[in-house]
Amino acid sequence: EVRLVESGGGLVQPGGSLRLSCETSGFTFNDYWMTWVRQAPGKGLEWVANIKEDGSEKNYADSVKGRFTISRDIAKNSLYLQMNSLRADDTAVYYCARAGFYGYYCDYWGQGILVTVSS
Amino acid sequence: DIQMTQSPSTLSASVGDRVTITCRASQTISRWLAWYQQKPGKAPKVLIDEASRLQSGVPSRFSGSGSGTEFTLTISSLQPDDFATYYCQHYDAHPFTFGPGTKVDVK
Repeated sequence: EVRLVESGGGLVQPGGSLRLSCETSGFTFNDYWMTWVRQAPGKGLEWVANIKEDGSEKNYADSVKGRFTISRDIAKNSLYLQMNSLRADDTAVYYCARAGFYGYYCDYWGQGILVTVSS
Repeated sequence: DIQMTQSPSTLSASVGDRVTITCRASQTISRWLAWYQQKPGKAPKVLIDEASRLQSGVPSRFSGSGSGTEFTLTISSLQPDDFATYYCQHYDAHPFTFGPGTKVDVK
């Protein structure tokens, strides 16, 4: 069974940093691209970043470029999102997702983790 | 960046209705489009990829069509479990943007 479990969310002040983790199981982690997607309260889905199977390629949404860094640890079957210079509009539920076998869509998702940026 | 639009933003329907949601891309994306269903407080669930390929386990009342810039998601006979918000997403070129969503609610 494919499982993705996010952790590391919480309340952080504007300008602060937070690191999200996504622990995976049930599939061969280094065979798949991985993605972060977020959803602000009451809003739609926003694609944030993705990373190639071996970590050699990373892509970001313009809204987070230069502030967020996606990474993965194959030995730990885990995905990460380092978030710096956080702003109020980064407040959202962050989902970790696996890319599909046939393309970059997301076929398995975690339950999501809430990040709140507020003073 | 490729922009995605969806219409309508809200759709009121009854059980048994045929429902169609349209998604448009600001430039051609071939068939690199997925559809997701999301219920309140839950993670999205992929229904269709590559514009028309039904994911395993998804009921056959869901279908997708289109290519280039215009795509549709059709529910042939709406069921009680289908009241939800539906999103399209392209994956032609980074960044892989989502549409704004279409909420299907009870008429």
